[in-house]
Amino acid sequence: DAKTTQPPSMDCAEGRAANLPCNHSTISGNEYVYWYRQIHSQGPQYIIHGLKNNETNEMASLIITEDRKSSTLILPHATLRDTAVYYCIVRARAGSARQLTFGSGTQLTVLP
Amino acid sequence: EPEVTQTPSHQVTQMGQEVILRCVPISNHLYFYWYRQILGQKVEFLVSFYNNEISEKSEIFDDQFSVERPDGSNFTLKIRSTKLEDSAMYFCASSDWGDYGYTFGSGTRLTVV
Repeated sequence: DAKTTQPPSMDCAEGRAANLPCNHSTISGNEYVYWYRQIHSQGPQYIIHGLKNNETNEMASLIITEDRKSSTLILPHATLRDTAVYYCIVRARAGSARQLTFGSGTQLTVLP
Repeated sequence: EPEVTQTPSHQVTQMGQEVILRCVPISNHLYFYWYRQILGQKVEFLVSFYNNEISEKSEIFDDQFSVERPDGSNFTLKIRSTKLEDSAMYFCASSDWGDYGYTFGSGTRLTVV
């Protein structure tokens, strides 16, 4: 699975959009970009994933560049409860028991 | 919303003792996983399980570890002879065929003394 690079930490004001970047320059054609978050030692929580098109769900939006070498997770209106470590993970599509490789992620702190 | 249930939430055991961590995955999921996180460190993959057999395992998952799905609903992780360095949060997860993410449980905190 391709390696990802994320900033170690970011701050965001409550109510503003949080934009979390991820670089995955060695991503291959069959690899998806997945985002998870972990709130204070709880189990990781799936947020969103995508292949090449932008995706949106009730939690977040995922913007993937045309060359697929980077992506941005957008939390449109961050709340204090969004304070967590956010992980960007690249791996082949589901449908197989493939492991997720967690990096260090980005610690997002939402400030009141 | 369906969830993965893990028990116990916290277990303390003496070094050398056997422990069994239990998980009830989401009922229609087909793939099952164990991960662990030592305090302050990354989440690490241990093992994946599909069709009643191990699909992948990491180098952490040595002969001291085993997994079982004894009754079609529970998924267990056994550590035969615990060591101090096994102290960690252990997370169970499950997933289905689709391109959806894994669902993780809330974890079992294992403390080996």
